[in-house]
Amino acid sequence: DAGVTQSPTHLIKTRGQHVTLRCSPISGHKSVSWYQQVLGQGPQFIFQYYEKEERGRGNFPDRFSARQFPNYSSELNVNALLLGDSALYLCASRDRGGSGSYEQYFGPGTRLTVT
Amino acid sequence: KQEVTQIPAALSVPEGENLVLNCSFTDSAIYNLQWFRQDPGKGLTSLLLIQSSQREQTSGRLNASLDKSSGRSTLYIAASQPGDSATYLCAGGYGGATNKLIFGTGTLLAVQP
Repeated sequence: DAGVTQSPTHLIKTRGQHVTLRCSPISGHKSVSWYQQVLGQGPQFIFQYYEKEERGRGNFPDRFSARQFPNYSSELNVNALLLGDSALYLCASRDRGGSGSYEQYFGPGTRLTVT
Repeated sequence: KQEVTQIPAALSVPEGENLVLNCSFTDSAIYNLQWFRQDPGKGLTSLLLIQSSQREQTSGRLNASLDKSSGRSTLYIAASQPGDSATYLCAGGYGGATNKLIFGTGTLLAVQP
């Protein structure tokens, strides 16, 4: 079984540009979460989606948005990129939404560099 | 505010040594606590998940404990090997319907051959 997949692996963008990152969860998983990991720090929660609905949002500006598709894959969009958006963006899937205590599985991440 | 702290930030041990990594959290209303391993520039590999109703979990040479009342978790690694060298992250699962993870900043482990 394939794990969580993310694309692209690496990306270089210029300040002010827009970027779209993609994630496919583990087959059968309906919940996808996005995290940002700046070098030297732990990941920070950005969004959670379950059944195509946003279930949670972290402390990130409105330049960050996401959506989930009927096949449960997800996109993270970031507008008006800043140098500080340079980070590893991680996607995680779990097999249920809600308050069930289920393990989260992470993808390999997308390394975004903003110049 | 929900915060997770990991001590030490870095640790170097000789091969074969047993070691303990520490994690503390400020909000005891966690649903679960998860330990991850991260190799340089890579994603996170889940090592152990402890439900809030559990006290510990074991997988091979790894044992993780959870004490909600004191807001602490430990990851015990037995008979360390050079291949164990990585950053170890703990994360508290919070938030009911959201179940977001709050991460610590990690412990960078180096096992010397």
